[in-house]
Amino acid sequence: KAGVTQTPRYLIKTRGQQVTLSCSPISGHRSVSWYQQTPGQGLQFLFEYFSETQRNKGNFPGRFSGRQFSNSRSEMNVSTLELGDSALYLCASSDGLAGTITDTQYFGPGTRLTVL
Amino acid sequence: AQKITQTQPGMFVQEKEAVTLDCTYDTSDPSYGLFWYKQPSSGEMIFLIYQGSYDQQNATEGRYSLNFQKARKSANLVISASQLGDSAMYFCAMRGGEDQTGANNLFFGTGTRLTVIP
Repeated sequence: KAGVTQTPRYLIKTRGQQVTLSCSPISGHRSVSWYQQTPGQGLQFLFEYFSETQRNKGNFPGRFSGRQFSNSRSEMNVSTLELGDSALYLCASSDGLAGTITDTQYFGPGTRLTVL
Repeated sequence: AQKITQTQPGMFVQEKEAVTLDCTYDTSDPSYGLFWYKQPSSGEMIFLIYQGSYDQQNATEGRYSLNFQKARKSANLVISASQLGDSAMYFCAMRGGEDQTGANNLFFGTGTRLTVIP
């Protein structure tokens, strides 16, 4: 099976702009989760989508949003970019079965966003 | 609230030697899963090994094994016969409990940077 793919791999934006990142999960996976990784805060959970519905959300401002399509592909959007949004954004996919602690998340290569 | 602690910011190991990366966790859930991921400089998080809270035996996956001590709430990763390609960041992560909503997020530690010396 093909792995998780993320596009673009690198992005440079300026403050105030908005950005959309895309993630294609492993075939058959219905859950897509997004994480932000920064040197200062480490890996932080943004949100999870399952069957086109947001199932869980981390502690991020409303400028961060996402959606999932019927083919399980997901996009996340960040509006009004700030310098602190510079980070590696990782997408992960899994079967997503509810209440299953064994559900393993497989990550994509990430999108490295730089905000100038 | 769940918490993962990795106390070793960096570790060095000689090629072909074994190394243990520490991970302790804190949760009030009786049911949880523990995961280890490897992150090379390229950025991608690579799944290595999983241990469930109810598993009776320590997990093993090739050169990777988990030293799971439930009472001490530790899940240390052991890498045997280290290779140069093992040089990377290693993250311990946990998913807690049987959330009724099916919440599926992982809580990560701060990571350990492993350097394998030739």
